[in-house]
Amino acid sequence: DAGVTQSPTHLIKTRGQQVTLRCSPKSGHDTVSWYQQALGQGPQFIFQYYEEEERQRGNFPDRFSGHQFPNYSSELNVNALLLGDSALYLCASSLTRFGSGTQYFGPGTRLTVL
Amino acid sequence: AQSVAQPEDQVNVAEGNPLTVKCTYSVSGNPYLFWYVQYPNRGLQFLLKYITGDNLVKGSYGFEAEFNKSQTSFHLKKPSALVSDSALYFCAVSSEAAGNKLTFGGGTRVLVKP
Repeated sequence: DAGVTQSPTHLIKTRGQQVTLRCSPKSGHDTVSWYQQALGQGPQFIFQYYEEEERQRGNFPDRFSGHQFPNYSSELNVNALLLGDSALYLCASSLTRFGSGTQYFGPGTRLTVL
Repeated sequence: AQSVAQPEDQVNVAEGNPLTVKCTYSVSGNPYLFWYVQYPNRGLQFLLKYITGDNLVKGSYGFEAEFNKSQTSFHLKKPSALVSDSALYFCAVSSEAAGNKLTFGGGTRVLVKP
């Protein structure tokens, strides 16, 4: 049983560019969440998708957007990249969108903005 | 709002000795508490969670955690640490009100010396 997968593994962009990160959830999971982990910090919640809709959103600007597809996979898009967007982006999937559900994380995408 | 504090940036312990990683939380309503471990250049790996019931929760790789409602704490413990336990440990909280949104602490680096 494959776990959560993310692509690409690493990405280098320049300021002002746009980036798309991809995530495939664990088999049977229908809820996908995205987190940003800056160097030396804990992950910060970006948003959560369930039934192809954004259900919850953290304190991130509109430059951060996402999408969930009918097969439950998800994309994270970041527009007008800033140096401060450099981070490890983690995708997590769960069986439920309720608080008691365990989230399983992918290996992450390391984004570097120059 | 919910929050998590991990008061120790680093914990050093000799192999074979007990390991404790501290975590306190703040949340409205009943908490759902989680511990994750992160190895270098990897995503977060789920260790255990507290939802309800017995205050002592047993998880993967010999780890356990004790939920203390009066002290709002959820400390992670292992009776006998291994060198391979050296990693970054994160405590996280959610609740019914917060849904599946996890709020993480800043992390505690554990170094187990042979």
